[in-house]
Amino acid sequence: QVQLQESGPGVVKPSQTLSLICTVSGGSISSGSYYWNWIRQPAGKGLEWIGHIYTSGRTSYNPSLKSRVTMSVDTSKNQFSLKLSSVTAADTAVYYCARGVDFWSAYYDYWGQGTLVPVSA
Amino acid sequence: DIQMTQSPSSLSASVGDRVTITCRTSQTISRYLNWYQQIPGKAPKLLIYGASSLQSGVPSRFIGTGSGTDFTLTIRSLQPEDFATYYCQQTYSSVTFGGGTKVEIK
Repeated sequence: QVQLQESGPGVVKPSQTLSLICTVSGGSISSGSYYWNWIRQPAGKGLEWIGHIYTSGRTSYNPSLKSRVTMSVDTSKNQFSLKLSSVTAADTAVYYCARGVDFWSAYYDYWGQGTLVPVSA
Repeated sequence: DIQMTQSPSSLSASVGDRVTITCRTSQTISRYLNWYQQIPGKAPKLLIYGASSLQSGVPSRFIGTGSGTDFTLTIRSLQPEDFATYYCQQTYSSVTFGGGTKVEIK
């Protein structure tokens, strides 16, 4: 059974960089036709796609966040990561990582439990 | 960007009711449409992919239909565990989620 787990430092100060890691267990991050995603959800609001990365390193980001987002993957550790720079209170949200299935209609079949990242001084 | 409009934003229903949620896209997306269920405090769970394919382990009372710009998620007989928020997602061009439909107990 594939499992994903987000981890990060907790509170981030305004103007700093938010950094999160997603650790994949129960399978290799490099196997199969999968890609790796970050999604966030502010309290009481809907889901916002942040971006995704393939193990080849190919990335795609939400245009509204593109200038501040960097994703990377470490296949040796079965992890992928998110960095979001110059954060403000508007970036406070639960951040999820998810596995994307590279089917003709791509979809997310496994999700992490989510981690709340407050942006506060 | 492809815009997603889900309706209604919320509804009240009773156990055993048939519930229908719609998702409309601003441009045609063929069948590149997925549906997720989210229970408060939990991660979203995939229900339907490719507009109508039922994810493994999901009860058959969840039915997805549609293509092009208009899609529907139907819950044939609402069960207590189905009270949740439902999101549609398009993966035809980049990724966008609908605003969500909260299904509450009447």
